[in-house]
Amino acid sequence: EAGVTQSPRYAVLQEGQAVSFWCDPISGHDTLYWYQQPRDQGPQLLVYFRDEAVIDNSQLPSDRFSAVRPKGTNSTLKIQSAKQGDTATYLCASSFGQNTGQLYFGEGSKLTVL
Amino acid sequence: GDSVTQKQGQVTLSEDDFLFINCTYSTTTYPTLFWYVQYPGQGPQLLLKVTTANNKGISRGFEATYDKGTTSFHLQKASVQESDSAVYFCALVGGNYKYVFGAGTRLKVIA
Repeated sequence: EAGVTQSPRYAVLQEGQAVSFWCDPISGHDTLYWYQQPRDQGPQLLVYFRDEAVIDNSQLPSDRFSAVRPKGTNSTLKIQSAKQGDTATYLCASSFGQNTGQLYFGEGSKLTVL
Repeated sequence: GDSVTQKQGQVTLSEDDFLFINCTYSTTTYPTLFWYVQYPGQGPQLLLKVTTANNKGISRGFEATYDKGTTSFHLQKASVQESDSAVYFCALVGGNYKYVFGAGTRLKVIA
């Protein structure tokens, strides 16, 4: 069974540029999460979906960050006008059901904003 | 809201030493608690899950329990190996089904 796939693995931007990260969850997993993991810190939830619906985006900086999951499968996280403070690894995870089960993480997309 | 506190930023041990990592948590509901491990260049992966206080979770030689009275959750291993070097995160899922992760403990095992 294929795991969670993320791309690109690395991105380097100047401040003010935009970037999109793509995630393909495990087949059949209806819940998808985006986490931000700054260097030497734990993952911090940005947004999560059940199917195509946003369940919680309260931690997503809405002025510059957006996330969609239009068909309830793949998802895209976009950062407009990146700032140095956005430097982090962006992790996608999926699970089956909104429950207390295991999260399956991708390898992450490491963003550096110069 | 729910929270977890993981104060041990880094732990350095020699092979065959005993490992003990502790977290404290705060939630208004009955939590499910997890330990995840992250190796360099990878996403976190599940190590252990504990759903009931004072029950043990056991996996790959690691054990975890949580104490509802002290709201603490710990991970231990009797004899660590160099291959156990990684970052260990405690995590909580409370009533709103949102995962909350601790800051992580970086374990370095010296051969």
